[in-house]
Amino acid sequence: GIQVEQSPPDLILQEGANSTLRCNFSDSVNNLQWFHQNPWGQLINLFYIPSGTKQNGRLSATTVATERYSLLYISSSQTTDSGVYFCAVDLEGGNQFYFGTGTSLTVIP
Amino acid sequence: DSGVTQTPKHLITATGQRVTLRCSPRSGDLSVYWYQQSLDQGLQFLIQYYNGEERAKGNILERFSAQQFPDLHSELNLSSLELGDSALYFCASSVGALGEQYFGPGTRLTVT
Repeated sequence: GIQVEQSPPDLILQEGANSTLRCNFSDSVNNLQWFHQNPWGQLINLFYIPSGTKQNGRLSATTVATERYSLLYISSSQTTDSGVYFCAVDLEGGNQFYFGTGTSLTVIP
Repeated sequence: DSGVTQTPKHLITATGQRVTLRCSPRSGDLSVYWYQQSLDQGLQFLIQYYNGEERAKGNILERFSAQQFPDLHSELNLSSLELGDSALYFCASSVGALGEQYFGPGTRLTVT
């Protein structure tokens, strides 16, 4: 099946720092989403971004589908950004859905 | 709040038992997806229903089954439970057969 790899696996940041999270996928996909799983386990939608670039406040994302990767940028990080960030894709044909391995982010004050 | 609801929030049961997890999608969404999140397997897709019909199947065990009812809510049935079935079970919904998925708060299942 498709491989969805995220890097780095773990990240510790000082509050106010910027970071870039990466999602690589091994096959052509229809759709790509980024999620934040907070410490309470809730999965929160960040971006639905099959291609191109989107921005939402301090967060932005870019997907280059032809090169099979997506990036999530977090600027001016806050302690509330802590948690695990997942990318998720569905294969062309749209009958399988895969989550990446996740990046665990800890923002310290 | 995504608009997707799941009940119960927590469930503790014994090995060999059977449980039913329930999911109500966002208003207007026709697709329901089920996922399992465990420490060793990560987040895995189990099954998708679209407008009452099974549309896609992932790593769902034969001991597990699901259905989507005419009012579009869905139930995931887990039977002959094993310790390894302990996990967080998420339901998600989307408007169409594909597209942006919105996740419910999850049901935490503990099998003792």
